[in-house]
Amino acid sequence: DQQVKQNSPSLSVQEGRISILNCDYTNSMFDYFLWYKKYPAEGPTFLISISSIKDKNEDGRFTVFLNKSAKHLSLHIVPSQPGDSAVYFCAASAYNNNDMRFGAGTRLTVKP
Amino acid sequence: ETGVTQSPTHLIKTRGQQVTLRCSSQSGHNTVSWYQQALGQGPQFIFQYYREEENGRGNFPPRFSGLQFPNYSSELNVNALELDDSALYLCASSPKQGSGANVLTFGAGSRLTVL
Repeated sequence: DQQVKQNSPSLSVQEGRISILNCDYTNSMFDYFLWYKKYPAEGPTFLISISSIKDKNEDGRFTVFLNKSAKHLSLHIVPSQPGDSAVYFCAASAYNNNDMRFGAGTRLTVKP
Repeated sequence: ETGVTQSPTHLIKTRGQQVTLRCSSQSGHNTVSWYQQALGQGPQFIFQYYREEENGRGNFPPRFSGLQFPNYSSELNVNALELDDSALYLCASSPKQGSGANVLTFGAGSRLTVL
């Protein structure tokens, strides 16, 4: 059962524009959400997170929005840079984090 | 601060063989989780170890087993390998409690190919 879904396998944007990556989840017990970035031949690296008590968290160029009623979150990158080109994974967990669920990932390409 | 290191980085096995993958957790982390990432998919939770005991398990058969050692390093063992076991195996560590408990630090992975 895929409890975390990223329906867009790929996204291409122009440098300087906004990148919006989307994620949907089905399990209402999830209360912590994360985005990870993965470059080839490297493990996923933590990017930004949000808990269910918030609807927005910002860190520099990266902002995550959470819509609990829609069970939807999104990652906004603005302005996008070529170095942002990577696979982005959405992840979610309940209070006990020993079963963090990941989406299938979205490959972002930022063109110069 | 050292990160998560995994070995080997690549290996090839044949069906029915057994494999052991190793992981050293990040300094200060006492919890280790293992994930399987098949091609085109996101990481899937195999199990987690804390205080040398299994602390949660995903939907994987018993031929997937693990160990955690007193220094918090860990091993993943897979017996009776099947073709579908071909994947990238990711190890991740985290502190059990505190503000960082929900953030996993991943290693680069061990890519297993089963022929």
